[in-house]
Amino acid sequence: DQQVKQNSPSLSVQEGRISILNCDYTNSMFDYFLWYKKYPAEGPTFLISISSIKDKNEDGRFTVFLNKSAKHLSLHIVPSQPGDSAVYFCAASKGGGADGLTFGKGTHLIIQP
Amino acid sequence: DAGVTQSPTHLIKTRGQQVTLRCSPKSGHDTVSWYQQALGQGPQFIFQYYEEEERQRGNFPDRFSGHQFPNYSSELNVNALLLGDSALYLCATTGGLSYNEQFFGPGTRLTVL
Repeated sequence: DQQVKQNSPSLSVQEGRISILNCDYTNSMFDYFLWYKKYPAEGPTFLISISSIKDKNEDGRFTVFLNKSAKHLSLHIVPSQPGDSAVYFCAASKGGGADGLTFGKGTHLIIQP
Repeated sequence: DAGVTQSPTHLIKTRGQQVTLRCSPKSGHDTVSWYQQALGQGPQFIFQYYEEEERQRGNFPDRFSGHQFPNYSSELNVNALLLGDSALYLCATTGGLSYNEQFFGPGTRLTVL
Protein backbone atom coordinates (compact mmCIF):
# COMPACT_ATOMS: atom_id res chain seq x y z
CA ASP A 1 0.00 0.00 0.00
CA GLN A 2 1.76 3.08 -1.28
CA GLN A 3 0.86 6.07 0.88
CA VAL A 4 2.93 8.56 -1.15
CA LYS A 5 2.70 8.36 -4.92
CA GLN A 6 4.69 10.01 -7.66
CA ASN A 7 2.98 8.88 -10.83
CA SER A 8 5.48 10.26 -13.32
CA PRO A 9 8.68 8.16 -13.37
CA SER A 10 10.35 10.76 -15.59
CA LEU A 11 9.88 14.31 -16.85
CA SER A 12 11.78 16.16 -19.55
CA VAL A 13 11.82 20.00 -19.52
CA GLN A 14 13.66 22.55 -21.61
CA GLU A 15 16.25 24.71 -19.86
CA GLY A 16 14.74 28.00 -18.71
CA ARG A 17 11.19 26.66 -18.57
CA ILE A 18 9.16 25.68 -15.50
CA SER A 19 9.42 22.15 -14.11
CA ILE A 20 6.38 20.88 -12.22
CA LEU A 21 6.70 17.68 -10.22
CA ASN A 22 3.60 16.15 -8.67
CA CYS A 23 2.93 14.01 -5.62
CA ASP A 24 -0.23 12.49 -4.12
CA TYR A 25 -0.73 11.01 -0.67
CA THR A 26 -3.43 8.90 0.90
CA ASN A 27 -2.77 9.11 4.65
CA SER A 28 -4.61 12.09 6.18
CA MET A 29 -2.37 11.84 9.27
CA PHE A 30 0.57 13.24 7.34
CA ASP A 31 1.22 16.81 8.48
CA TYR A 32 4.62 17.63 7.04
CA PHE A 33 5.86 17.25 3.49
CA LEU A 34 9.34 17.45 2.01
CA TRP A 35 11.07 17.31 -1.33
CA TYR A 36 14.49 15.73 -1.70
CA LYS A 37 16.79 15.69 -4.71
CA LYS A 38 19.15 12.82 -5.45
CA TYR A 39 22.13 12.57 -7.78
CA PRO A 40 23.64 9.15 -8.62
CA ALA A 41 26.05 7.81 -5.97
CA GLU A 42 24.94 10.44 -3.44
CA GLY A 43 22.38 10.48 -0.66
CA PRO A 44 19.18 12.52 -1.02
CA THR A 45 19.57 16.25 -0.39
CA PHE A 46 16.81 18.28 1.27
CA LEU A 47 15.25 20.90 -1.02
CA ILE A 48 12.15 22.40 0.54
CA SER A 49 9.36 21.50 2.96
CA ILE A 50 5.85 22.57 3.89
CA SER A 51 3.71 22.13 6.95
CA SER A 52 0.06 21.15 6.59
CA ILE A 53 -0.98 24.51 8.05
CA LYS A 54 0.33 26.26 4.93
CA ASP A 55 -0.54 25.96 1.27
CA LYS A 56 2.61 27.42 -0.26
CA ASN A 57 6.28 27.74 0.58
CA GLU A 58 8.96 29.42 -1.53
CA ASP A 59 12.73 29.22 -1.48
CA GLY A 60 14.48 30.88 -4.38
CA ARG A 61 13.65 29.02 -7.60
CA PHE A 62 11.71 26.35 -5.70
CA THR A 63 8.07 26.59 -4.63
CA VAL A 64 5.99 23.84 -3.06
CA PHE A 65 2.19 23.96 -3.18
CA LEU A 66 -0.04 21.87 -0.91
CA ASN A 67 -3.70 21.10 -1.61
CA LYS A 68 -4.91 19.26 1.50
CA SER A 69 -8.43 18.62 0.25
CA ALA A 70 -7.01 16.87 -2.83
CA LYS A 71 -4.14 15.31 -0.86
CA HIS A 72 -1.81 16.64 -3.51
CA LEU A 73 1.42 18.60 -3.55
CA SER A 74 3.60 19.90 -6.30
CA LEU A 75 7.12 21.27 -6.65
CA HIS A 76 7.72 24.10 -9.12
CA ILE A 77 11.23 24.93 -10.32
CA VAL A 78 11.57 28.22 -12.20
CA PRO A 79 13.65 28.65 -14.25
CA SER A 80 14.92 25.10 -14.76
CA GLN A 81 18.70 24.75 -15.01
CA PRO A 82 20.89 21.86 -16.24
CA GLY A 83 22.06 21.17 -12.67
CA ASP A 84 18.45 20.43 -11.72
CA SER A 85 18.63 17.13 -13.62
CA ALA A 86 18.26 14.52 -10.85
CA VAL A 87 15.73 12.22 -9.21
CA TYR A 88 13.23 14.10 -7.02
CA PHE A 89 11.54 12.38 -4.09
CA CYS A 90 8.42 13.53 -2.34
CA ALA A 91 8.28 12.53 1.34
CA ALA A 92 5.74 12.88 4.15
CA SER A 93 5.67 12.46 7.90
CA LYS A 94 3.19 12.52 10.77
CA GLY A 95 5.33 14.54 13.16
CA GLY A 96 7.63 16.98 11.43
CA GLY A 97 10.68 16.53 9.25
CA ALA A 98 12.71 14.68 11.88
CA ASP A 99 10.30 11.74 12.10
CA GLY A 100 10.48 8.61 9.98
CA LEU A 101 9.66 9.69 6.43
CA THR A 102 7.44 7.93 3.89
CA PHE A 103 8.83 8.44 0.39
CA GLY A 104 7.38 8.20 -3.09
CA LYS A 105 9.21 6.29 -5.82
CA GLY A 106 10.71 9.42 -7.31
CA THR A 107 10.57 11.34 -10.58
CA HIS A 108 13.63 11.57 -12.82
CA LEU A 109 13.81 15.17 -14.05
CA ILE A 110 15.83 15.74 -17.21
CA ILE A 111 16.60 19.31 -18.22
CA GLN A 112 17.19 19.58 -21.96
CA PRO A 113 19.56 22.33 -23.23
CA ASP B 1 32.11 19.59 8.69
CA ALA B 2 32.26 16.08 7.20
CA GLY B 3 28.51 15.67 7.01
CA VAL B 4 26.96 12.23 7.44
CA THR B 5 29.40 9.42 6.71
CA GLN B 6 28.66 5.74 6.16
CA SER B 7 30.84 2.65 5.94
CA PRO B 8 31.47 0.53 4.06
CA THR B 9 30.59 1.93 0.63
CA HIS B 10 29.88 -1.46 -0.90
CA LEU B 11 29.41 -4.90 0.57
CA ILE B 12 28.77 -8.35 -0.86
CA LYS B 13 27.34 -11.11 1.33
CA THR B 14 25.72 -14.51 0.80
CA ARG B 15 22.30 -15.64 1.94
CA GLY B 16 22.08 -16.49 5.63
CA GLN B 17 25.01 -14.30 6.63
CA GLN B 18 24.89 -11.32 8.95
CA VAL B 19 25.97 -7.76 8.15
CA THR B 20 26.73 -4.60 10.13
CA LEU B 21 26.60 -1.14 8.56
CA ARG B 22 27.88 2.00 10.25
CA CYS B 23 26.89 5.66 10.30
CA SER B 24 28.53 8.75 11.79
CA PRO B 25 26.19 11.72 12.13
CA LYS B 26 26.71 15.26 11.01
CA SER B 27 28.26 17.42 13.72
CA GLY B 28 25.65 18.56 16.25
CA HIS B 29 23.13 15.87 15.30
CA ASP B 30 21.86 13.38 17.87
CA THR B 31 19.12 11.48 16.03
CA VAL B 32 19.85 8.77 13.47
CA SER B 33 17.39 7.15 11.07
CA TRP B 34 18.01 4.24 8.72
CA TYR B 35 16.34 3.70 5.36
CA GLN B 36 16.41 0.90 2.77
CA GLN B 37 16.22 1.87 -0.90
CA ALA B 38 15.60 -0.98 -3.32
CA LEU B 39 16.26 -0.46 -7.03
CA GLY B 40 13.65 1.79 -8.62
CA GLN B 41 11.97 2.55 -5.29
CA GLY B 42 12.02 5.38 -2.83
CA PRO B 43 13.77 5.00 0.54
CA GLN B 44 11.79 2.99 3.12
CA PHE B 45 12.07 3.88 6.80
CA ILE B 46 13.57 1.10 8.94
CA PHE B 47 13.97 2.71 12.38
CA GLN B 48 15.19 5.75 14.25
CA TYR B 49 17.51 6.06 17.26
CA TYR B 50 17.64 8.85 19.80
CA GLU B 51 19.45 8.84 23.15
CA GLU B 52 20.64 5.29 22.42
CA GLU B 53 17.05 3.99 22.24
CA GLU B 54 14.95 2.89 19.26
CA ARG B 55 12.33 5.62 19.11
CA GLN B 56 10.38 4.71 15.97
CA ARG B 57 10.24 1.66 13.74
CA GLY B 58 8.95 1.06 10.25
CA ASN B 59 7.52 -2.16 8.86
CA PHE B 60 10.68 -4.28 8.94
CA PRO B 61 11.18 -7.71 10.57
CA ASP B 62 13.20 -8.31 13.72
CA ARG B 63 16.13 -9.46 11.58
CA PHE B 64 16.83 -5.75 11.29
CA SER B 65 18.25 -4.32 14.49
CA GLY B 66 20.32 -1.34 15.45
CA HIS B 67 22.33 0.42 18.04
CA GLN B 68 23.29 3.97 18.87
CA PHE B 69 26.47 4.79 20.77
CA PRO B 70 27.08 7.61 23.28
CA ASN B 71 28.84 9.63 20.54
CA TYR B 72 25.56 9.39 18.51
CA SER B 73 27.02 7.13 15.82
CA SER B 74 24.90 4.16 14.89
CA GLU B 75 24.99 0.63 13.51
CA LEU B 76 22.42 -1.28 11.49
CA ASN B 77 22.57 -5.07 11.79
CA VAL B 78 20.78 -7.47 9.48
CA ASN B 79 20.70 -11.18 10.36
CA ALA B 80 19.90 -14.18 8.16
CA LEU B 81 20.30 -12.20 4.95
CA LEU B 82 17.85 -12.80 2.11
CA LEU B 83 18.30 -12.00 -1.57
CA GLY B 84 15.62 -9.34 -1.14
CA ASP B 85 17.81 -7.47 1.34
CA SER B 86 19.98 -6.32 -1.57
CA ALA B 87 19.57 -2.55 -1.58
CA LEU B 88 21.13 0.81 -0.83
CA TYR B 89 21.06 1.47 2.90
CA LEU B 90 20.86 5.14 3.80
CA CYS B 91 21.53 6.78 7.12
CA ALA B 92 19.96 10.17 7.88
CA THR B 93 20.66 12.38 10.87
CA THR B 94 19.04 15.38 12.45
CA GLY B 95 19.22 17.48 15.58
CA GLY B 96 20.25 20.86 16.90
CA LEU B 97 19.14 23.77 14.74
CA SER B 98 18.21 21.49 11.83
CA TYR B 99 15.60 19.63 13.88
CA ASN B 100 13.08 19.59 11.02
CA GLU B 101 15.34 18.34 8.24
CA GLN B 102 17.15 15.04 7.78
CA PHE B 103 20.63 15.00 6.26
CA PHE B 104 21.45 11.83 4.37
CA GLY B 105 24.74 10.02 3.95
CA PRO B 106 25.84 8.54 0.59
CA GLY B 107 24.64 5.08 1.56
CA THR B 108 26.04 1.54 1.66
CA ARG B 109 25.29 -0.68 -1.33
CA LEU B 110 24.60 -4.22 -0.05
CA THR B 111 24.47 -7.11 -2.50
CA VAL B 112 23.27 -10.50 -1.26
CA LEU B 113 24.17 -13.48 -3.46
